[in-house]
Amino acid sequence: AQSVTQLDSQVPVFEEAPVELRCNYSSSVSVYLFWYVQYPNQGLQLLLKYLSGSTLVESINGFEAEFNKSQTSFHLRKPSVHISDTAEYFCAVNSGGSSNTGKLIFGQGTTLQVKP
Amino acid sequence: NAGVTQTPKFQVLKTGQSMTLQCAQDMNHEYMSWYRQDPGMGLRLIHYSVGAGITDQGEVPNGYNVSRSTTEDFPLRLLSAAPSQTSVYFCASTMGRTSTEQYFGPGTRLTVT
Repeated sequence: AQSVTQLDSQVPVFEEAPVELRCNYSSSVSVYLFWYVQYPNQGLQLLLKYLSGSTLVESINGFEAEFNKSQTSFHLRKPSVHISDTAEYFCAVNSGGSSNTGKLIFGQGTTLQVKP
Repeated sequence: NAGVTQTPKFQVLKTGQSMTLQCAQDMNHEYMSWYRQDPGMGLRLIHYSVGAGITDQGEVPNGYNVSRSTTEDFPLRLLSAAPSQTSVYFCASTMGRTSTEQYFGPGTRLTVT
């Protein structure tokens, strides 16, 4: 069965510092990978996704993630964080591999806390 | 478009009571799902549907029922609430097999005492 592991439950960082949120997945087939963000008391919003093609994917607010097939990782990075990036971040994989099933398998979540 | 809507936002139940969490989407999406979110466990799939009249179980289906009589609505029923069902529940939808982005509702926070 597929699984997703987020290696850090909490990541505290100072404003304007770089950050990396780590995500590893287990799958023997091609996958679709996602990062979702959840701001306090809100639902989840899609941050970025990898489907195929370039292994580096970017979001509109400065985050990027790199798909590494050999290490089965999809780490999320941002070179300079803002206070407004404080949120919980979830890594997820489509359970049907590269065939969309409408079912996602989520990691445990990483709380990013940006300090002034 | 309102997107994915959920009602109620908050609910407190006593053990043994039943209730239905409502979910609706106005995007004509084929696939709909219910997840529960618990601290340190991420989101786990309860039930999902790939179209009207078609539902299937996810990872944690026990204690929950669903039906999908229309494309728009996907209610989640708790038949006899238990404290272990205290959680935040999210409904999500996606267009279908050719789409990969799921749209999430704002969530329902349920407490069972």
